Amino acid sequence: EVRLVQSGAEVKKPGEFLKISCKGSGYSFTDYWIAWVRHMPGKGLEWMGIFYPGDSSAKYSPSFQGQVTISADRSTPTVYLQWRSLKASDTAMYYCARQYGYCSGGNCSLNYWGQGTQVTVSS
Amino acid sequence: EIVLTQAPGTLSLSPGERATLSCRASRSVSNFLAWYQHKVGQAPRLLIYGASSRAIGIPDRFSGSGSGTDFTLTISRLEPEDFAVYYCQQYGSSPRFGGGTKVEIK
Repeated sequence: EVRLVQSGAEVKKPGEFLKISCKGSGYSFTDYWIAWVRHMPGKGLEWMGIFYPGDSSAKYSPSFQGQVTISADRSTPTVYLQWRSLKASDTAMYYCARQYGYCSGGNCSLNYWGQGTQVTVSS
Repeated sequence: EIVLTQAPGTLSLSPGERATLSCRASRSVSNFLAWYQHKVGQAPRLLIYGASSRAIGIPDRFSGSGSGTDFTLTISRLEPEDFAVYYCQQYGSSPRFGGGTKVEIK
């Protein structure tokens, strides 16, 4: 069974560092892209970026380029999303999700989703 | 960057009725278009990929159509569990989601 299990909720202050995780199981970790999706309160879904553990390729949406970093550890096997300096506007639910079917260069649909990680940034 | 516009913003219907949701792309995405259902407190669920193919386990009351720039998600007869927010997503290049359509109980 394919599963993506995300790390727990986080409460942080503006300016702090944060790294959240998404652990995959039940499939070949290095063969599938993993994306991160943001859902801010009362807003729609936003594609942040996507990572291919097979060759460590990362592609970011223009809105998130330079704001976050996606990485992975093949040994665990886990994909990460990190912020060097959080802002209050980063408060949101963050989902990881795995590619479904045909996917060219990180342009994918997503079928297996993690349960979400709530990030709250407040002074 | 390809922009997806979903209409209407909110659809108020009764169980048993037919729901028709629209998604328009600012330029062609061929058939690289997916639809998701999102309920409060849950992760999104893939319904349709490739514009018209149902994902595994999705009931056949959900159907997708269209290609190029105009796409439709149809729910033939609304069940109580279908009231949710629906998003289209293009994955032809630089993936992006539409703004969503909320299907609410009338």
